[in-house]
Amino acid sequence: QSVLTQPPSVSAAPGQKVTISCSGSSSNIGNNYVSWYQQFQGTAPKLLIYENNKRPSGIPDRFSGSESGTSATLGITGLQTGDEADYYCGTWDSSLSAWVFGGGTKLTVL
Amino acid sequence: QVQLVESGGGVVQPGWSLRLSCAASGFTFTSYAMHWVRQAPGKGLEWVAVISYDGSNKYYADSVKGRFTISRDNSKNTLYLQVNCLRPEDTAVYYCARDRGSIVGPTEYLQHWGQGTLVTVSS
Repeated sequence: QSVLTQPPSVSAAPGQKVTISCSGSSSNIGNNYVSWYQQFQGTAPKLLIYENNKRPSGIPDRFSGSESGTSATLGITGLQTGDEADYYCGTWDSSLSAWVFGGGTKLTVL
Repeated sequence: QVQLVESGGGVVQPGWSLRLSCAASGFTFTSYAMHWVRQAPGKGLEWVAVISYDGSNKYYADSVKGRFTISRDNSKNTLYLQVNCLRPEDTAVYYCARDRGSIVGPTEYLQHWGQGTLVTVSS
């Protein structure tokens, strides 16, 4: 059971928008930055969003992040088949003194 | 460019030990905290441990505390994970990742990742 809760899967058609939620608590999301990671099948994860809503260079602005209270959301607009991947949220948990990940969300672009 | 190359994985029996390594290049290794993250087959990411830039501070996941030890040799630009008393549930790809900063507790984000090394624990 992950400290951060994500939906196991989401799906949408090409060109559409999808959001992935990440729910936590005051000891993690409520007091620390959230980051998001994208992982294609058989490859290493890659940083997608950091400090709640910032994109590393090279990440298209179709990807966005937001945070409110003890929850965070990853948004992807203009969906492409190439976006099919697993997405993980992560943050520091001050009570556990540990980094924590969500369980991951599999995105399917129908 | 940042490169992280893990090694040391393999097939071992329950109860055995391994030392995983992560060779870093393309950045000033001594300026960054480093992490180990693992992923069991078909499962999600599980954070394992983090070490500060100078090795003075370390944090571990409860699931590995007392069995795994994270360390670093800044003279060799290398991160290590000593894994002891291995169990079948430790079977996973082990990734090293570079932190955004130098200190730990809290960590802001895992900025760069290696390609991973597979550890299989089976009798």
